[in-house]
Amino acid sequence: DVKVTQSSRYLVKRTGEKVFLECVQDMDHENMFWYRQDPGLGLRLIYFSYDVKMKEKGDIPEGYSVSREKKERFSLILESASTNQTSMYLCASWGFSYGYTFGSGTRLTVV
Amino acid sequence: DQQVKQNSPSLSVQEGRISILNCDYTNSMFDYFLWYKKYPAEGPTFLISISSIKDKNEDGRFTVFLNKSAKHLSLHIVPSQPGDSAVYFCAADPPPGKLIFGQGTTLQVKP
Repeated sequence: DVKVTQSSRYLVKRTGEKVFLECVQDMDHENMFWYRQDPGLGLRLIYFSYDVKMKEKGDIPEGYSVSREKKERFSLILESASTNQTSMYLCASWGFSYGYTFGSGTRLTVV
Repeated sequence: DQQVKQNSPSLSVQEGRISILNCDYTNSMFDYFLWYKKYPAEGPTFLISISSIKDKNEDGRFTVFLNKSAKHLSLHIVPSQPGDSAVYFCAADPPPGKLIFGQGTTLQVKP
């Protein structure tokens, strides 16, 4: 069963903390994505990566960075968490064999 | 600027009736569209897709219609079932391959 696994389902962090959201896929996909979902705004692309060490800004990259040291792992980093980053974060990967596959999401609350 | 729009935030239908979810897009270069279904605390799951070379694609109870001249697509669910209650997202998949989502429509199917 192919999977995109996000390490945490729920996180509560304090304002100003550095936050790491981890995503691992087992499909050998080159392409990986981070989205955030907010009511009334749908899913918005934060960052994506088409290869190891490669990253591209999406539509809302401000306040975020990413790391792709290995093909299977794509990490989203909140350098200094703020309350407006409270959201549902969704990781996805894409490949010819399985198309887009999403993780179950991480519900992040910044207090 | 929202390139993919779902203008109805919510829809309520009776079990057994038809559900019609609508989606508009602005870029005439978009040529591949997908519908995703999302339950709370889960990642989106792929439902059905359509390429611009077709104007209709059917999969069981789900049919997607594409009107290229109007830049409009719709998802029909017939008959609707209570288990269909979820948030539905339409998405465009333009090259080089990153989904652009609409805001989502919450469907409630009442028994």
